Amino acid sequence: QITLKESGPALVKPTQTLTLTCTFSGFSLTTYGAGVGWIRQPPGKALEWLALVFWSDDKRYSPSLKNRLTITKDTSKNQVVLTMTNMDPVDTATYYCAHRRGDSSTGGHFNYWGQGTLVTVSS
Amino acid sequence: QSVVTQPPSVSGAPGQTITISCTGSSSNFGANYGVHWYQQLPGTAPKVVMYGNDIRPSGVTDRFFGSKSGTSASLVITGLQAEDEADYYCQTYDIRLRGWVFGGGTKLTVL
Repeated sequence: QITLKESGPALVKPTQTLTLTCTFSGFSLTTYGAGVGWIRQPPGKALEWLALVFWSDDKRYSPSLKNRLTITKDTSKNQVVLTMTNMDPVDTATYYCAHRRGDSSTGGHFNYWGQGTLVTVSS
Repeated sequence: QSVVTQPPSVSGAPGQTITISCTGSSSNFGANYGVHWYQQLPGTAPKVVMYGNDIRPSGVTDRFFGSKSGTSASLVITGLQAEDEADYYCQTYDIRLRGWVFGGGTKLTVL
């Protein structure tokens, strides 16, 4: 049974760096094809994919945010960490991590999601 | 503006059939990437209700049907029930963006 859970600060100040951790169980990020992604959702708005890391350590980023994002994995701890620099109030959102199901390094869908963590950016 | 577009809202009476559309382009659906659909109830994480265009995950009601043709896709819900009221998102992969993309979401209201 796959589970994921996000953790991190609920409040960050503008210009600060956000660090979120996704702790998962039920699968290994050393298994061929495995991937964990981050998706966010501002209040009342749509889902937005941010970043994804594969078993191979291949990393993908949303083109619009890639200059601010870094995704890393720690397979010994079953964790994936997302950092986002220079936070702004428009980055206020619920941040989800999710397990990607797919057969290659493209395509696929997110079949298991964490509960999400609300991050508010405010001074 | 999202790379894949959905109507902001659809509605239907209990028992009716509704269709939620999702329009893509040559760099996603047209490049043979599949469409996947998520249902999001208020205050909860999205849940996949259709993947690979037309595959229902275990446990999802057989009143949900998915399809894709060319650069368009649809989620059809038959026998509409109050519990179907939710936000629905389509998702695919875009080869030009080299990443995963979501539609803007469609709010389904059961009248």
